[in-house]
Amino acid sequence: ELKVEQNPLFLSMQEGKNYTIYCNYSTTSDRLYWYRQDPGKSLESLFVLLSNGAVKQEGRLMASLDTKARLSTLHITAAVHDLSATYFCAVDMQGGSEKLVFGKGTKLTVNP
Amino acid sequence: NAGVTQTPKFQVLKTGQSMTLQCAQDMNHEYMSWYRQDPGMGLRLIHYSVGAGITDQGEVPNGYNVSRSTTEDFPLRLLSAAPSQTSVYFCASRDRTVNTEAFFGQGTRLTVV
Repeated sequence: ELKVEQNPLFLSMQEGKNYTIYCNYSTTSDRLYWYRQDPGKSLESLFVLLSNGAVKQEGRLMASLDTKARLSTLHITAAVHDLSATYFCAVDMQGGSEKLVFGKGTKLTVNP
Repeated sequence: NAGVTQTPKFQVLKTGQSMTLQCAQDMNHEYMSWYRQDPGMGLRLIHYSVGAGITDQGEVPNGYNVSRSTTEDFPLRLLSAAPSQTSVYFCASRDRTVNTEAFFGQGTRLTVV
């Protein structure tokens, strides 16, 4: 059974600081996705990581995937208040893409 | 394109009532799924479908039924609502031929009293 663990689950940081969110998963997979959710809203796709060593960047966010370590990171550079949201990672079951398994999410609060 | 459309956005049910949450997508995606989101639990898969006429159970299927008569529609039925089904429900669709992300509807906030 595929399990996906995120840490930390809650993150409070100051504007301008850097931090990393970690996503570990339990079985072999080479497809990982990051989503953002604002309060009361739906999930918005941030990054699609499809191979070992994949790195994607968008603004102050950078995501990477290490399939050998079964680990993805979401790095935040010089945080700003607008990045406050909940971030989810999700992993495909090996061999098929009909089921995504989600982590519990990391609630990020960026304080002025 | 509307993407994934869920109705209703909000619903209050009494224990024992039944209802259907509607989900429709206009992207011709073969894969569709229903998730529930509860505080501190992330998103948990209820049921999913890989195409018209094919459905399967996810992690938390009890108390829910689904059917997939067309590619576009994937309704979720609660046969006898219970307070434990109070949650936010999300429908998602994906293209099966390309390694792409899932697209989510706006969610249905359901309260069972």
